[in-house]
Amino acid sequence: KAGVTQTPRYLIKTRGQQVTLSCSPISGHRSVSWYQQTPGQGLQFLFEYFSETQRNKGNFPGRFSGRQFSNSRSEMNVSTLELGDSALYLCASSLFSGSPGEQFFGPGTRLTVL
Amino acid sequence: GENVEQHPSTLSVQEGDSAVIKCTYSDSASNYFPWYKQELGKRPQLIIDIRSNVGEKKDQRIAVTLNKTAKHFSLHITETQPEDSAVYFCAASSRGSYIPTFGRGTSLIVHP
Repeated sequence: KAGVTQTPRYLIKTRGQQVTLSCSPISGHRSVSWYQQTPGQGLQFLFEYFSETQRNKGNFPGRFSGRQFSNSRSEMNVSTLELGDSALYLCASSLFSGSPGEQFFGPGTRLTVL
Repeated sequence: GENVEQHPSTLSVQEGDSAVIKCTYSDSASNYFPWYKQELGKRPQLIIDIRSNVGEKKDQRIAVTLNKTAKHFSLHITETQPEDSAVYFCAASSRGSYIPTFGRGTSLIVHP
């Protein structure tokens, strides 16, 4: 079974631009969560989608948004990029939502904002 | 919300020694505690997890203990090997909110 995939793997943008990241979960997994990983703040939860609905949201500004499609693939969008948005963005998939269980992480998208 | 503290931030051991990483959590409703290993440049991978109805779980050289009263849980690695060198993250989540809160991570260095 193929693992979680993320595209692109690396991205360089400038301040003020917007970016869209994509995540394809493991086949059969319906829950996709997004995390921001930085050296200073560690792994921080952004949001979780299940069956095309946002189920949980972390403490991030409205510039961070996401969506999930009927095939469970998910996209994350960041608008009006700031230097502090430079980070590794990880998505993770799991079978269910609302019941803590194993999450499988993707390789991440390394975003650099200049 | 939940707060997870992880210590130490860096742990250096000699090959063959044991390593212990400790985490404390604040939300008594948390009932699922996974540990992830992230090697340099790679994705986090689950290495072991424990639920609140269990006090200890072992998998070969790795074990996790949970003390619900004190709200802390620990990862124990015995007979460490150089390939155990990585960053280890603990996390806590509950059935109610599901939002997992991660510790800041521990960089484990195993010297040959």
